[in-house]
Amino acid sequence: QSVLTQPPSVSGAPGQRVTISCTGSSSNIGADYDVHWYQQLPGTAPKLLIYGNNNRPSGVPDRFSGSKSGTSASLAITGLQAEDEADYYCQSYDSSLSVVVFGGGTKVTVL
Amino acid sequence: QVQLVQSGAEVTKPGASVKVSCKASGHTLNPYEITWVRQTPRQGLEWMGRISARNGNTNYAQKLQGRVTMTTDTSTSAVYMELRSLTSDDTAVYYCVIAVADYFDYWGQGTLVTVSS
Repeated sequence: QSVLTQPPSVSGAPGQRVTISCTGSSSNIGADYDVHWYQQLPGTAPKLLIYGNNNRPSGVPDRFSGSKSGTSASLAITGLQAEDEADYYCQSYDSSLSVVVFGGGTKVTVL
Repeated sequence: QVQLVQSGAEVTKPGASVKVSCKASGHTLNPYEITWVRQTPRQGLEWMGRISARNGNTNYAQKLQGRVTMTTDTSTSAVYMELRSLTSDDTAVYYCVIAVADYFDYWGQGTLVTVSS
């Protein structure tokens, strides 16, 4: 059971917009710790996609955006492309557990 | 850009230990803090702990305290993660990662550790 809760899967047609939620609590996201997102393509290591809630590292397309409010955060993918089919993970810090925490991951399927 | 290279896959038995290495290709690890993260289909991504490649200071996940040791070897610019008293629950892909801030910028390619009798 992950500390941060994500939907197991989301899907969308090419060109559509999909969002992935990441729900935490008052000891992690709600305690104002930043949320970061990773993309993991099959058979590869996770790759940093969004850091500090809504910042994209160099090279990440602006189709990817992040937001945070209260005890939750979201990742949005607009103009969905076949190459976006991957697993996506959120990450934050939990002050009660004193540990970095991850979401359980969301599989994005492009229909 | 830092590239992290890890040691190869391991198959080991319950009760045994495993030691995974992590080196920076063409770069020194010295300025960095190296985090170890493992991934299983059931538990997902799990933070294991971190080590300063500069001074060797460590911080381990409470769950793994007493079973995990992270070390650094300045002569080879490598860091190591040793996990002892292995069970099938430790079967996972183990990643070394560099975190410049509180997020994980650079990941190794991963090392599959299989614990099986």
